[in-house]
Amino acid sequence: GENVEQHPSTLSVQEGDSAVIKCTYSDSASNYFPWYKQELGKGPQLIIDIRSNVGEKKDQRIAVTLNKTAKHFSLHITETQPEDSAVYFCAASPGGPFTPLVFGKGTRLSVIA
Amino acid sequence: DAGVTQSPTHLIKTRGQHVTLRCSPISGHKSVSWYQQVLGQGPQFIFQYYEKEERGRGNFPDRFSARQFPNYSSELNVNALLLGDSALYLCASSLKTSFDNEQFFGPGTRLTVL
Repeated sequence: GENVEQHPSTLSVQEGDSAVIKCTYSDSASNYFPWYKQELGKGPQLIIDIRSNVGEKKDQRIAVTLNKTAKHFSLHITETQPEDSAVYFCAASPGGPFTPLVFGKGTRLSVIA
Repeated sequence: DAGVTQSPTHLIKTRGQHVTLRCSPISGHKSVSWYQQVLGQGPQFIFQYYEKEERGRGNFPDRFSARQFPNYSSELNVNALLLGDSALYLCASSLKTSFDNEQFFGPGTRLTVL
């Protein structure tokens, strides 16, 4: 089955700097890669996703890149703000029925004002 | 519109007891999935239900069971609780049965087994 590795487990950045979180996956059939943000006391919330037919996707300060050959994808947050502080999870799925998301272990991002 | 709701928020049980957790999906969503999130880990898939039928099951023992009602709400039941069952249990709803679309998560139920 799918296995998703996520690094780093913790990340501290100064406000205004960029943050990068990296994930690798094992199942070459996976073609859907979402990123979720989980704030304290809340459930995960989708912030951006990418499909295998796209190499990069951007939404304001957030971008995701995908390298299918190397089986890795990354989350990039630019101009970080204190409200970006949270736990971020990457996930992967082949996208079909009966093939649920497999999550990484998460990255705790702290943005220092 | 209300998001995914779960009850109770917190629960404390002792080993050997059973527990029932409840979830109400977003209006119009027919797919409900359950996840277990152990402290410091990502969510792990337990079940998916769609149109009141089980459509997927993760690698969990038979002590875990679930069902979906005609109004698409769902219950997760865990029997013979073990200390290792202590976790945040998340419910997610979505429009489709496939997982290549946004899963909307509830705030979760924090279960502590003593």
